[in-house]
Formats: sequence, structure tokens, C-alpha cells
Amino acid sequence: DVKVTQSSRYLVKRTGEKVFLECVQDMDHENMFWYRQDPGLGLRLIYFSYDVKMKEKGDIPEGYSVSREKKERFSLILESASTNQTSMYLCATTGSTEAFFGQGTRLTVV
Amino acid sequence: QQQVKQSPQSLIVQKGGISIINCAYENTAFDYFPWYQQFPGKGPALLIAIRPDVSEKKEGRFTISFNKSAKQFSLHIMDSQPGDSATYFCAAEGSTLGRLYFGRGTQLTVWP
Repeated sequence: DVKVTQSSRYLVKRTGEKVFLECVQDMDHENMFWYRQDPGLGLRLIYFSYDVKMKEKGDIPEGYSVSREKKERFSLILESASTNQTSMYLCATTGSTEAFFGQGTRLTVV
Repeated sequence: QQQVKQSPQSLIVQKGGISIINCAYENTAFDYFPWYQQFPGKGPALLIAIRPDVSEKKEGRFTISFNKSAKQFSLHIMDSQPGDSATYFCAAEGSTLGRLYFGRGTQLTVWP
């Protein structure tokens, strides 16, 4: 079974804090993705990566950065958290076609 | 702009009925069209997928109908069950390997 593990299920952070969301996959896949899910807006791509140390902007990269130092780990960084970044964050990896998602991190910024 | 448009946003169906969710796309480079199912508290999971060389794919109670000329595809859930209550996302993938463009989702509720 493919496992995509996100480090936290729930997170509460203060405005202005630097926030790290971690994602680890055990399938040796090259592609990894970070999405944000909001009601009525679906899944929006923040950043993705096709290889170690490689990153590409998705549709909504503003206010975020990423790090991929190892193939299995893809981190999403909120440089200075704001209340409009309160959301569900989903990490995913893809093999040839199917995307495998983590369970999500519900982030609340207060 | 939204690459994949999905409707309706929410759907209520009686047990045993047919649930139909529709999606449309513009980019003719898309060549893979999956549907994902998401239960509360879980990440989305692949339900069924189709490529444009066929017009229909069926897996159990779930069927994708694909109309290449209209650039539309739909998910039909036959004999809908309360356990099908979930959020459904259509998606499309093209030349950028692995990058999926998702619709906004449909929240399906099946009443017993």
C-alpha cells in the first residue's frame, strides 16, 4: 500500500509565524504536490516537484515556499502565516497515472 | 482560470437512484480523466478513470461517459447508496506528467 504521511492532522498557529508542513511518501515516486482545499473552490495546486531540489509554482504559490531535499520528503513552508491561509492542506504523489493523497493537515491561523 | 468545470456543486439523491456529475474542459491536450472520491477526514482517492480513446468505462456501479467532441465527461453512480455520500472531484491531466487539474467538487448526499 502506498503511504503518504503528513506530519500533523491539526495545527493552530499565530499570525506571522513561520509554519512548516511535512509530507513523506514511501513509494519512491518522483512527483510530489501540495494542494490547498477550501469549500467551493476544490483542490488548488500550490507547488509541485518532479525531482529532488526541483520545484515548480502551481496556481496559488503566493505566500508559500517549498523544500525537497530528499526524494521522499516534500515540505510546504508558510513564511509568515496569515488568517487567509487557514485551510486544509493536502500532499500528494503520483506514479504513472494515479495520485495518492495524504490525509490532510487542517491549519488554523489565529 | 478554471481548467475543468464541474457541476453541480451539491447533489442529493435518494437511495437506489442515479447520481450524475458533469465536467467540461477546454484544453485538448488533456488525455487522462480521473474521478476522485473523498470522505470526510480523508484525502481524495482514485475512483475510476478514462482515456479519450473510449466513450465509456464501467466499474461496478460507477460509469464514466466521455464525449470528446463536446469536451465533456460525466460520472454516473447507479443504485446510489448512503455509503456513496462523499465529495467527488473530476480531474484532467495532459502533457505535464502527474499534474492534475481538478474541478471544484460535488458534495453528494444519498438519503436512505
